[in-house]
Amino acid sequence: GENVEQHPSTLSVQEGDSAVIKCTYSDSASNYFPWYKQELGKRPQLIIDIRSNVGEKKDQRIAVTLNKTAKHFSLHITETQPEDSAVYFCAASLSNYQLIWGAGTKLIIKP
Amino acid sequence: NAGVTQTPKFQVLKTGQSMTLQCAQDMNHEYMSWYRQDPGMGLRLIHYSVGAGITDQGEVPNGYNVSRSTTEDFPLRLLSAAPSQTSVYFCASSRRGLAGSTYEQYFGPGTRLTVT
Repeated sequence: GENVEQHPSTLSVQEGDSAVIKCTYSDSASNYFPWYKQELGKRPQLIIDIRSNVGEKKDQRIAVTLNKTAKHFSLHITETQPEDSAVYFCAASLSNYQLIWGAGTKLIIKP
Repeated sequence: NAGVTQTPKFQVLKTGQSMTLQCAQDMNHEYMSWYRQDPGMGLRLIHYSVGAGITDQGEVPNGYNVSRSTTEDFPLRLLSAAPSQTSVYFCASSRRGLAGSTYEQYFGPGTRLTVT
């Protein structure tokens, strides 16, 4: 079946440094790629998304890049802050409005 | 707008009991889905619906039933609870785009279920 691989599973960075999380998808028909942030005990919430007709999208300290040929996309967080500590999930669209999810990356911001 | 609401927030069941997890949304979204999230894991799709009267199975449907009689509500029924169903259950909804386009999924606060 289709899948999304996400790396790394845990990422520890110094406050102020950048963090990069990478995902690879298998379904060549996927055309929508969201990133969600989940704080401990809370629901997942969308932080940024990108469609297949765009190569990069930025929103303040967060950016997502997409390489359709290689079937991978990445989340970049610059100038990391303590409130960025959370689990981040990538996802890719399947047919019938479904999303298939990566396993998650626990981001730890060290003071 | 309340967004996506779920009840109950917490539930403890004994093995073999049945129950229904409730999910409602007030955004007039056509697409609704149920996920389970086990500790330290990602989201696995149980069942989904693309509109009232239409449901389909996801990745892990065994032991669960759904129905969608209205746009707003999408209850999840556990038929005979088992310890393996101990998990956090999230309901999500999104609008449907033209030609199958997918949009942001909005999540409910989750139901934490323990089966003993």
